[in-house]
Amino acid sequence: GQNIDQPTEMTATEGAIVQINCTYQTSGFNGLFWYQQHAGEAPTFLSYNVLDGLEEKGRFSSFLSRSKGYSYLLLKELQMKDSASYLCAVLDSNYQLIWGAGTKLIIKP
Amino acid sequence: NAGVMQNPRHLVRRRGQEARLRCSPMKGHSHVYWYRQLPEEGLKFMVYLQKENIIDESGMPKERFSAEFPKEGPSILRIQQVVRGDSAAYFCASSPDRTELNTGELFFGEGSRLTVL
Repeated sequence: GQNIDQPTEMTATEGAIVQINCTYQTSGFNGLFWYQQHAGEAPTFLSYNVLDGLEEKGRFSSFLSRSKGYSYLLLKELQMKDSASYLCAVLDSNYQLIWGAGTKLIIKP
Repeated sequence: NAGVMQNPRHLVRRRGQEARLRCSPMKGHSHVYWYRQLPEEGLKFMVYLQKENIIDESGMPKERFSAEFPKEGPSILRIQQVVRGDSAAYFCASSPDRTELNTGELFFGEGSRLTVL
C-alpha cells in the first residue's frame, strides 16, 4: 500500500529553526509537495521537489532524497504565524496526490 | 481575481437528508479535485473531474456519493442519505492543467464543513 509518514505534532520556539520530516512509500514518484494549512483554512502551496537536493525559498527550505524515500521541510527564524499544520504529499505514478496526515507545529514565544 | 470558491462554508444536515456542495474553480482552470478531511487527519482524495468528465473517482464511495462538473456552472459533490460519518470538511481544489504537465500546484478553496446531526 501507499504510505506517507510524518510526525503528528512538534513544538518549537519563536526565532528558532525546526525540521519536519516526511517518509513515503508510494507506487511511483512524480514529485513531493509541502503545503501549509492554518486551522480552519485551506491548504496553501509551499514547495515542490522532484529532484534530489535542497530547494530554498526564503525562510523555508525543502529537501528530497528519492533513494531514501525521505523529505524534510526546514523553517528558519520561526514566527508565531508559522503555527499551522504542514502537509507532505507525493504525486504517484498515476499522478494522484497521496497526502500525509500532517504535522501540527506549535510555536511558543 | 477570485480564487477557488466553495459554498456553503458550513452545512448542517440530519441523517437521511441530502448534502450538495459546490465548487467554482479559479478562472482558467478546468481540472477540479474533491478531498475529504476528518479532524486531525490528512486530506483524502475523492474524485478528479474535468469539464463534463469524471477522470478518477477511485476515492469516492460508490454508494450515496456522486460528483459532476457540467459544461456551465460549478462542480457539485452530492451526498445522499447522509450519515454521521459523513461529517467532515470537504475541500475542492483546481489546477490549470494535468498535474504531470506543470508543478502540480493545487489551489484550494476554503472548504465546506458538513455536520450531520
